[in-house]
Amino acid sequence: ETAVFQTPNYHVTQVGNEVSFNCKQTLGHDTMYWYKQDSKKLLKIMFSYNNKQLIVNETVPRRFSPQSSDKAHLNLRIKSVEPEDSAVYLCASRHRANSDYTFGSGTRLLVI
Amino acid sequence: GQQVQQSPSSLVLQEGENAELQCNFSSTATQLQWFYQSPGGSLVSLLSNPSGTKHTGRLTSTTVTKERRSSLHISSSQTTDSGTYLCAIEANAYKVIFGKGTHLHVLP
Repeated sequence: ETAVFQTPNYHVTQVGNEVSFNCKQTLGHDTMYWYKQDSKKLLKIMFSYNNKQLIVNETVPRRFSPQSSDKAHLNLRIKSVEPEDSAVYLCASRHRANSDYTFGSGTRLLVI
Repeated sequence: GQQVQQSPSSLVLQEGENAELQCNFSSTATQLQWFYQSPGGSLVSLLSNPSGTKHTGRLTSTTVTKERRSSLHISSSQTTDSGTYLCAIEANAYKVIFGKGTHLHVLP
């Protein structure tokens, strides 16, 4: 099956903890992305990575960092979570610029 | 900064009616895409349409780049069309801005 796979589906953690979310795509795409969808359902791009270049949205706090071992994987680490980090984190990939995205099913984070 | 405004914010239709969704953006975009997000949260690309008119199935998108607007027309709506329709523009391959979406509810 070719798709974008995210784990875990849900994660509940306490303020100050470190969390890591995994994303893997089996589509052979060149570029991967992380998006954050807040409680108002607004989607914002956080990172994009095409195994040569990492682009960071300048509004993303430094406690967030992407980690990639190869072009099929792009994980997201949050060093010390804060309550406002509660959201759905969506991973996506696409073959090249201007082609269609394929999204994962998302990881819902709740920080208590 | 760049803005993407979608209207209406919500829409209720009877099954079989047509829907017209609007997207206005504040600056030049190299790409414009329409997405569908199901009530369960999964997100799929519907159409990429930076300019002109594009059809796929019951969907028609028309983008007038000079006027910085795009529309998505859904013909003969079905209950399974219910969900959120998102418009997104790209200034370059890595800068993507989404609108807040139009929440569509199709009644049987």
